[in-house]
Amino acid sequence: QSVLTQPPSVSGAPGQRVTISCTGSSSNLGAGYDVHWYQQLPGRAPKFLINGNNNRPSGVPDRFSGSKSGTSASLAITGLQAEDEAHYYCQSYDTILTSWVFGGGTELTVL
Amino acid sequence: QLQLQESGSGLVKPSQTLSLFCAVSGGSISSGSYSWSWIRQSPGKGLEWIGYVHHSESTRYNPSLKSRLTISIDTSKNQFSLKLTSVTAADTAVYFCARGHVVPGTLWFDPWGQGTLVTVSS
Repeated sequence: QSVLTQPPSVSGAPGQRVTISCTGSSSNLGAGYDVHWYQQLPGRAPKFLINGNNNRPSGVPDRFSGSKSGTSASLAITGLQAEDEAHYYCQSYDTILTSWVFGGGTELTVL
Repeated sequence: QLQLQESGSGLVKPSQTLSLFCAVSGGSISSGSYSWSWIRQSPGKGLEWIGYVHHSESTRYNPSLKSRLTISIDTSKNQFSLKLTSVTAADTAVYFCARGHVVPGTLWFDPWGQGTLVTVSS
C-alpha cells in the first residue's frame, strides 16, 4: 500500500474534464513536498507529465495541469482525448519512509 | 535528446545478485546536478524508487533496500549500474533507469529508459 492514495480508476467522455486525486498525509504532501505526475501508456515506460510548479516538458499539452492543497493534490485533464487513455501516477517525498514515493496509480478510461 | 537504455540479467536465481546497467546517450552523465536513478515496477507493489547516484559518486538509497543495494557510476562509459544482492521472488519486477532532476526539496524523473524485466526464479 502506497502512502500516496489514488483512485484505481476514473473515466470520462471525449472532450470532458477529469481529475485524478492523490491523497497523502502530514509526512509527505502536508509537509510541503511537491507532487509530480507521470503518464504510463500500455506497455510503455512512465513519462514525466508535470512537476510541482506546473511545469510541463515540451510536447505535453496544456490540457494537463496540477494543483496541491494541504495533504492532497490533483491532476486535471481537460478536453479529454482517446490518446489520454493510460495509467497516471503521482510522486513525492515521505519524511517517515525517508524515500521518494509513488502513488498506486489511476487507470484513465476514455469512454 | 537524452536517451537511457537498461541492460543486464533477465533471470536471476534466488539468493544470487541482480546486476543491471543503464547506458546514457545524447548527453553526458557528468553534466549538471542530476541524480541518476533506478525505479522498479511490480504488479504487487507498483512503482518503487530504488536509489540514485550523482556524478560525484554520492548515492542515496531506499532504506528498505539499502542493506542489499549498490548503485555506482562510470563516467568514462557514460553509464551507471545497479547491484542487488540476496534476491528473492519479491524482487521480480520491471526495472527502469531514469534521470532525476534535483531542485531544493524535490526531485522528479525525466526521461526514463524503456525498462527491463528481471525475474527471480530457480
